[in-house]
Amino acid sequence: DIQMTQSPSSLSASVGDRVTITCQASQDISNYLNWYQQKPGKAPKLLIYDASNLETGVPSRFSGSGSGTDFTFTISSLQPEDIATYYCQQYDNRPITFGQGTRLEIK
Amino acid sequence: QVQLVESGGGVVQPGGSLRLSCAASGFTFSSYGMHWVRQAPGKGLEWVAFIRYDGSNKYYADSVKGRFTISRDNSKNTLYLQMNSLRAEDTAVYYCAKGVSWFAGTAMDDLTIFDYWGQGTLVTVSS
Repeated sequence: DIQMTQSPSSLSASVGDRVTITCQASQDISNYLNWYQQKPGKAPKLLIYDASNLETGVPSRFSGSGSGTDFTFTISSLQPEDIATYYCQQYDNRPITFGQGTRLEIK
Repeated sequence: QVQLVESGGGVVQPGGSLRLSCAASGFTFSSYGMHWVRQAPGKGLEWVAFIRYDGSNKYYADSVKGRFTISRDNSKNTLYLQMNSLRAEDTAVYYCAKGVSWFAGTAMDDLTIFDYWGQGTLVTVSS
């Protein structure tokens, strides 16, 4: 199975900060990498697909980049409503696997 | 708008069985592969099972293979997960998710983006 390693596991930042989360795959997954946001008690929500494509309706402060094994997710200006856990997910190879999640808190 | 509504969760003893359902609306259910993904309390997301749009192909995580069965009824726009021989480690919120795949029509169509998720149903395995 492809292992997805997110860093950091948790993060505390202030409103307006630029926030970056990384996701590393254990092997080359091309750009078959998605990012999800999960707020407490809610289902995950797709934010970014294929490493860098913004899902319809998602604010433009969210972005993604990378290919191969190293990927980055960025919030350009953190808002209070962005408090959540963020997951990366690969779909290059069976089985689909997720990163362990990054919990984002407001400082 | 797309809606996925899970039901059927509850408390069951180890070794018991449970069947989850996921009622879909707002899209052409019979055209899309569907998945179950679970999340143990306080833990991350784990993919569980996939079924092709027409039910002709199914894949399972090793952790549930031989115990869980995914199925669908396209006439009722409903996805199912039959869970047998349940263990404590199966305790989780179970989500159904709609899949979008660039590999649609191929043998790799289980490899998807999860574009919509249900609200989840909690399964607790405990004596």
